[in-house]
Amino acid sequence: QTVVTQEPSFSVSPGGTVTLTCGLSSGSVSTSYYPSWYQQTPGQAPRTLIYSTNTRSSGVPDRFSGSILGNKAALTIMGAQADDESDYYCVLYMGSGISVFGGGTKLTVL
Amino acid sequence: EVQLVESGGGLVQPGGSLRLSCAASGFTFSSYWMSWVRQAPGKGLEWVANIKQDGSEKYYVDSVKGRFTISRDNAKNSLYLQMNSLRAEDTAVYYCARYKRYSSSSEALYYFDYWGQGTLVTVSS
Repeated sequence: QTVVTQEPSFSVSPGGTVTLTCGLSSGSVSTSYYPSWYQQTPGQAPRTLIYSTNTRSSGVPDRFSGSILGNKAALTIMGAQADDESDYYCVLYMGSGISVFGGGTKLTVL
Repeated sequence: EVQLVESGGGLVQPGGSLRLSCAASGFTFSSYWMSWVRQAPGKGLEWVANIKQDGSEKYYVDSVKGRFTISRDNAKNSLYLQMNSLRAEDTAVYYCARYKRYSSSSEALYYFDYWGQGTLVTVSS
């Protein structure tokens, strides 16, 4: 069974830059997995940030960017702000209609 | 404005059934794949099921196959999730999401672009 891996937690200073990653328990992530990223604050519905590796969803500031770094998908947040403190989830498309979420990364801004 | 509003959640005993609904508005419902995604209390998001625009293709996560059925009524702009043989581990907030799925020789899209606010399903005796 394929597991999508994310760092459980990360912290960044206000104004700093942080890169969250999304990997596979076996194999490498490529653009062919069409990685997407979602932000969720407690008690709220997810918000779509990035799709198809590096395309920002409508209204998402350009402080958020997506890429492939080595064998993982990556979400980089520049100029971190207090309201960036959230859970971040990646999703990989596995083919045959199946999508798999990573376990999520809890980002703390302090 | 795209809106997705879930309903039908509640408390059900193990082995019981529940039917979730999602009312869609603000877009041409029949033109989009739709999905259900769930989140157990204090846990991460989990994709549950997808359905094609005309209902001809449906996909499920292994843990719900044979127990859950996704369906849609395009005339009513509504998405459904029939949940049978419910287990404690099905306890979660269930989100309805619009799923952008497209592929051609030059590009492809696979992602969730709009989300409802969710409905809570609790399976407990």
